[in-house]
Amino acid sequence: AQSVAQPEDQVNVAEGNPLTVKCTYSVSGNPYLFWYVQYPNRGLQFLLKYITGDNLVKGSYGFEAEFNKSQTSFHLKKPSALVSDSALYFCAVRDRNTGGFKTIFGAGTRLFVKA
Amino acid sequence: NAGVTQTPKFQVLKTGQSMTLQCAQDMNHNSMYWYRQDPGMGLRLIYYSASEGTTDKGEVPNGYNVSRLNKREFSLRLESAAPSQTSVYFCASSENFSNQETQYFGPGTRLLVL
Repeated sequence: AQSVAQPEDQVNVAEGNPLTVKCTYSVSGNPYLFWYVQYPNRGLQFLLKYITGDNLVKGSYGFEAEFNKSQTSFHLKKPSALVSDSALYFCAVRDRNTGGFKTIFGAGTRLFVKA
Repeated sequence: NAGVTQTPKFQVLKTGQSMTLQCAQDMNHNSMYWYRQDPGMGLRLIYYSASEGTTDKGEVPNGYNVSRLNKREFSLRLESAAPSQTSVYFCASSENFSNQETQYFGPGTRLLVL
């Protein structure tokens, strides 16, 4: 069965420090992978996606993520966190070999960046 | 461009009441979706519309119906609300119905069923 795991409910980081939000996945085929961010009382906003090609994907607001096929992971990273990065982050996966459309979302990781 | 808009922002219903959640997008997207978000869980797909004139069930369709009114609008109806339908509902759209497409989300409707 397809699944996405975000093993940390919450990540705390000091402003200026690097941040990592973890995501691992399980799909039967090859994945398309996405990261979204949700600010309070707002909808999800797209950050970045991995479709094919370079395993390191760069996205909005200085975020990047690395696709690691052997570890089935797609961790979100940023070299220097900002207080304004505090939000809820969702990893999502689709199986490219599955016909139709189905997105599996992780449960979300809340990021707190302290000034 | 407003992107994806949803109305209402917040609604309280009594068990058994009905209501329709409205969604519209101005990006000329072909595909639209309804999700619900519950605490500690990721978004779950209720219904989707791959293109104008078509709708299909998602992961959790029971208790809901949808209408793709035209290319811009996709509504979600609760015929007889139940407390289990208390949730935050998000509408989304994508340019096409493809695994590679990015989805764009509305701000959500917070629904409380008493």
